[in-house]
Amino acid sequence: EVVLTQSPDFQSVTPKEKVTITCRASQNIGTALHWYQQKPDQSPKLLIKFASQSISGVPSRFSGSGFGTDFTLTINSLEAEDAAAYYCHQSSHLPITFGGGTKVEI
Amino acid sequence: QVQLVQSGAEVKKPGASVRVSCRASGYTLTDFGLHWVRQAPGQSLEWVGWINGGNDNIKYSESLRGRVTLSRDTSASTDYLELSSLTSEDTAVYYCARASTVTTGSLDFWGQGTLVTVSS
Repeated sequence: EVVLTQSPDFQSVTPKEKVTITCRASQNIGTALHWYQQKPDQSPKLLIKFASQSISGVPSRFSGSGFGTDFTLTINSLEAEDAAAYYCHQSSHLPITFGGGTKVEI
Repeated sequence: QVQLVQSGAEVKKPGASVRVSCRASGYTLTDFGLHWVRQAPGQSLEWVGWINGGNDNIKYSESLRGRVTLSRDTSASTDYLELSSLTSEDTAVYYCARASTVTTGSLDFWGQGTLVTVSS
């Protein structure tokens, strides 16, 4: 099973700050890494697919990078509506697995 | 537009079984894989199982193997998750999520979630 280790677990930030969340895989997964945003009492929402591909309708301040075992989600110029939990997910191997999550508080 | 609509919340006693449905609209069920994922209160996401678009391959989480069954009614565009021998550890929100390909990939559409509460 591919273990995904996310950091940090929690981040308290102010609006317009830049936020960086990392996700490390226990083995090489190429670019099969995706990022989700989950607000309280809502379903997760896909933000970035295959490490760096943008999703229609997602603000351009969200971007992703990485390959192999190390991946990053960046939120440029954070807005109040970005307060949420963020999860990485790998689809390279079954079972699919998720990171432990990063809670971003404004 | 693509939608996944799940059945309503359930309250079950320990030892009972539960069935959760996920009705798809806006696309053909057999063109994409579908995953089931659960989230216990305050926790991260945990994979439960997967059925591929062709209906010919189903995989389950090893930790739930023997208690979980996925099935599909293609004519009703509906997938089902059944979990048996419930314990309090199974209390969670259960989500269905469409994969971006016929097999797996990113999870591009999610159901609204079904809360399953196991309590005596």
